[in-house]
Amino acid sequence: DAGVIQSPRHEVTEMGQEVTLRCKPISGHDYLFWYRQTMMRGLELLIYFNNNVPIDDSGMPEDRFSAKMPNASFSTLKIQPSEPRDSAVYFCASSLMTDQKLFFGSGTQLSVL
Amino acid sequence: EDQVTQSPEALRLQEGESSSLNCSYTVSGLRGLFWYRQDPGKGPEFLFTLYSAGEEKEKERLKATLTKKESFLHITAPKPEDSATYLCAVCGSGNTGKLIFGQGTTLQVKP
Repeated sequence: DAGVIQSPRHEVTEMGQEVTLRCKPISGHDYLFWYRQTMMRGLELLIYFNNNVPIDDSGMPEDRFSAKMPNASFSTLKIQPSEPRDSAVYFCASSLMTDQKLFFGSGTQLSVL
Repeated sequence: EDQVTQSPEALRLQEGESSSLNCSYTVSGLRGLFWYRQDPGKGPEFLFTLYSAGEEKEKERLKATLTKKESFLHITAPKPEDSATYLCAVCGSGNTGKLIFGQGTTLQVKP
């Protein structure tokens, strides 16, 4: 298996623009997670899905953030409008309910100017 | 609220100099404690899962242990390739599948 695949690898945008991050989880995994990593706050859980259904979105900073999982092999995290404070590395991860071991993608480095 | 605190924030060792990283946690009903390794520019990579106090896991030069309040990652005779950030995470009984991470310990091993 190719592992968790995220795109794009890097994204540079201007304040106010819409940003869409994409994730393909490992085939067969029933959990999908979106994390954000910064120097100040470390790894923060934004939202996670079980069998394509959002379970906990309490980590989503505000209404500018939204996430969808239309099927078992694809998820998006959208920021609209983006702000400089959204600059961070965004990770997608997937796991099996049975062992809860997360497999992470390589991340998307987001810079909002 | 589930919480994880790691210490020290940074650690510099000479090659061959053994040491330990600490992970203190507060969780209601531990379902699992996880150790990950993260290299610069990459996502965290799974190392170990510990489920109950007294449990130990080993992999090459790394050994993870668990008590009711903390976990240690012991590094024996480290090599420069062990340089990375080590992250600890917990999953509590009220949060199926949800991992809460500590801030990590950045380890540098000099030859």
